[in-house]
Amino acid sequence: GAVVSQHPSRVICKSGTSVKIECRSLDFQATTMFWYRQFPKQSLMLMATSNEGSKATYEQGVEKDKFLINHASLTLSTLTVTSAHPEDSSFYICSARDPRYSGANVLTFGAGSRLTVL
Amino acid sequence: TQLLEQSPQFLSIQEGENLTVYCNSSSVFSSLQWYRQEPGEGPVLLVTVVTGGEVKKLKRLTFQFGDARKDSSLHITAAQPGDTGLYLCAGAKITQGGSEKLVFGKGTKLTVNP
Repeated sequence: GAVVSQHPSRVICKSGTSVKIECRSLDFQATTMFWYRQFPKQSLMLMATSNEGSKATYEQGVEKDKFLINHASLTLSTLTVTSAHPEDSSFYICSARDPRYSGANVLTFGAGSRLTVL
Repeated sequence: TQLLEQSPQFLSIQEGENLTVYCNSSSVFSSLQWYRQEPGEGPVLLVTVVTGGEVKKLKRLTFQFGDARKDSSLHITAAQPGDTGLYLCAGAKITQGGSEKLVFGKGTKLTVNP
């Protein structure tokens, strides 16, 4: 089955620094990847859709200059949280659509990255 | 406004009991998916339902998609402690740009006590 890997799984950083999270599709090529954010006891909120070779599409209310998304290859998308602040602390999860599965929108999720900003 | 309402939000039951989780919306979805998420991990897909009125069974789990494709239910028979987790429903919607994205409910936190 499809596998999506995220790295790092946990990161702690100081306020004001930038943090990069990687999302890789290991056994398939993903032209589209999605980045979600999940607060404690909350659901997943879609932040942006990452498109290979073009600019990401951000959801309303998500700052594109704050959350930089790069999808430079068919197997890698990165999310960079710039000038992180404590309110950016959250669980960030990526997902990718495996083109081998046609029909319904079936996504495979990464294991998530827990960001803690001190 | 939450597009997908899940109920109950929390459910604590004893091993062997049956339970039903509901996912409701005023919107129509092209498909609806159920995920299970463990703490500190990403969601894992359980099932996708596409056709209105569709019923799918996965061992002790029964999933139903409403006739109007606006709601869904998850029924677990003879729950076991291993069923403990966060159950999320997600509906697929077409965006204005023509792409498809998933909208998640808030989830149901299920605890099955031995």
